[in-house]
Amino acid sequence: DVKVTQSSRYLVKRTGEKVFLECVQDMDHENMFWYRQDPGLGLRLIYFSYDVKMKEKGDIPEGYSVSREKKERFSLILESASTNQTSMYLCASRATVVTEAFFGQGTRLTVV
Amino acid sequence: DQQVKQNSPSLSVQEGRISILNCDYTNSMFDYFLWYKKYPAEGPTFLISISSIKDKNEDGRFTVFLNKSAKHLSLHIVPSQPGDSAVYFCAASETGNQFYFGTGTSLTVIP
Repeated sequence: DVKVTQSSRYLVKRTGEKVFLECVQDMDHENMFWYRQDPGLGLRLIYFSYDVKMKEKGDIPEGYSVSREKKERFSLILESASTNQTSMYLCASRATVVTEAFFGQGTRLTVV
Repeated sequence: DQQVKQNSPSLSVQEGRISILNCDYTNSMFDYFLWYKKYPAEGPTFLISISSIKDKNEDGRFTVFLNKSAKHLSLHIVPSQPGDSAVYFCAASETGNQFYFGTGTSLTVIP
């Protein structure tokens, strides 16, 4: 069965902390994505990666960076967490051809 | 600017009746469309998709209709069940590119 796993369900961090959100997929998918979901705004793309060591900015990359050292793992990094980064973060993966994306269970991040 | 729009934030339907969720898009290059269902505190789960070469795709109680000239798609759920109560997101992409998601419609099915 398809599996995308995010390392934490809930996180509370302090303003200014460096935060790492980890995502692992077991489907050998080339494409991986990080979204954030906020009320009334839907899912907005932060960064995506088409292959190992490749990354592309999405619609809202400011304040974030990513790392993809291995095909199965895609990490989202908040360099200096701020309260406006409090959100639900969703990781997804997709095969190269046009297919649906599979999502992880989400990480609810609260920055205080 | 929002490329995919779901103009109804919420919808309530009686159990057993039809639920119709709507979605509009602006980019005529989009050729692949999907619907996802999301429960609170969980990630979205894929429901059904349609490519631009079709105008209808059916999977059990779920049917997606695509009207390319109107840049409109809809999801029909028949019959609606209480377990269908969730937030539904439509998404669109141009082949191989990123998905653009709508803002979601919260469906409540009343027993």
